[in-house]
Amino acid sequence: EDKVVQSPLSLVVHEGDTVTLNCSYEVTNFRSLLWYKQEKKAPTFLFMLTSSGIEKKSGRLSSILDKKELSSILNITATQTGDSAIYLCAVLKGGSQGNLIFGKGTKLSVKP
Amino acid sequence: GAGVSQSPSNKVTEKGKDVELRCDPISGHTALYWYRQSLGQGLEFLIYFQGNSAPDKSGLPSDRFSAERTGGSVSTLTIQRTQQEDSAVYLCASSSLGQGLGEQFFGPGTRLTVL
Repeated sequence: EDKVVQSPLSLVVHEGDTVTLNCSYEVTNFRSLLWYKQEKKAPTFLFMLTSSGIEKKSGRLSSILDKKELSSILNITATQTGDSAIYLCAVLKGGSQGNLIFGKGTKLSVKP
Repeated sequence: GAGVSQSPSNKVTEKGKDVELRCDPISGHTALYWYRQSLGQGLEFLIYFQGNSAPDKSGLPSDRFSAERTGGSVSTLTIQRTQQEDSAVYLCASSSLGQGLGEQFFGPGTRLTVL
């Protein structure tokens, strides 16, 4: 059975801290791994990772995929209160399916 | 240039009633997905439409759930004889490419509450 596991489930930090969120997966026919930020109802896209070892960066956020370890990390440096959200990791399957398999998310709370 | 839209934004219904949830994907997007998110859970895939191909229904939890996509655009998710465990946020997403090749853009969701 395909599964995506995120850790920790929740995290509380103070502004300025650096955080690392983890995602591991066991999925047949892996195509890509995606990170989303969910603040209210709809997730917003952060990164899509397909190749192992290549870091993707957007401002204070960065992410990297390790296909050997079947995992990915999302780093946020110099956290701000606006980073408070649920961060979702999802794996895209190849083949005829186009669906994403999501983890349960990491709830990040950034205190002032 | 609107994004994915969904209606209604909130729906409260009584156990046993049927409900219809609507999704308008981004114009030109051929792929459309339905997901649901129950309290404290990750997003759960329900169904995937790609162009005129037969939909992938592998995620539908029971035969009370069905979905249609008319004219390759608007989609309706129907839940018959609703149960309390159907309470969740139902999210629709669309993508310009099928087979997971493109980023999925999510709608705002419909929060369904079954009393």
